[in-house]
Amino acid sequence: AQTVTQSQPEMSVQEAETVTLSCTYDTSENNYYLFWYKQPPSRQMILVIRQEAYKQQNATENRFSVNFQKAAKSFSLKISDSQLGDTAMYFCAFMKHANFGNEKLTFGTGTRLTIIP
Amino acid sequence: DAGVIQSPRHEVTEMGQEVTLRCKPISGHDYLFWYRQTMMRGLELLIYFNNNVPIDDSGMPEDRFSAKMPNASFSTLKIQPSEPRDSAVYFCASSWDGRYSPLHFGNGTRLTVT
Repeated sequence: AQTVTQSQPEMSVQEAETVTLSCTYDTSENNYYLFWYKQPPSRQMILVIRQEAYKQQNATENRFSVNFQKAAKSFSLKISDSQLGDTAMYFCAFMKHANFGNEKLTFGTGTRLTIIP
Repeated sequence: DAGVIQSPRHEVTEMGQEVTLRCKPISGHDYLFWYRQTMMRGLELLIYFNNNVPIDDSGMPEDRFSAKMPNASFSTLKIQPSEPRDSAVYFCASSWDGRYSPLHFGNGTRLTVT
């Protein structure tokens, strides 16, 4: 079974600063996908960024980027130039590759990020 | 596109009552997922469907829980009888290809069982 660990229950940072959220996972799989989801106070889960394990290049989406270290099983999220709208719970998630059908997403416990004005 | 639509947004019921949560996935999405979120256990997958067929229900906690997907545009999650420990936020999500495309979540239903 796969496990996803987010060791930082809460973080806060000043607006415009950079913040990094950590995530580690445990798996025996070689092919898989990693995701960061954001859950603002509105409660809806929103995909922030995703990474295919077979890709060495780290994924980036505007101000969001990841540091994917496959050997270390680490998948951190960096938010640059943080904005008040980034205040939310952030969940790291793992999905193993499937040749047929779909595999379930396994979520970490989340990190509550607060951006301070 | 209206996104994944869940109803009701909030539900308060008494222990022992039947509760039905509803979900309308995004049109064209082949996969539908039901998740439960609690402080203690985080986000847990309860069940998911592919083309209206239940594929994995190993996350369904007890026989009190049941889920159906009678057609591609509608799914229900039923709890009968409900218990206080069922209090949680229940999310429905859909994707057109669960392996590669992201899940699109609804706004969730906050269930409180007193």
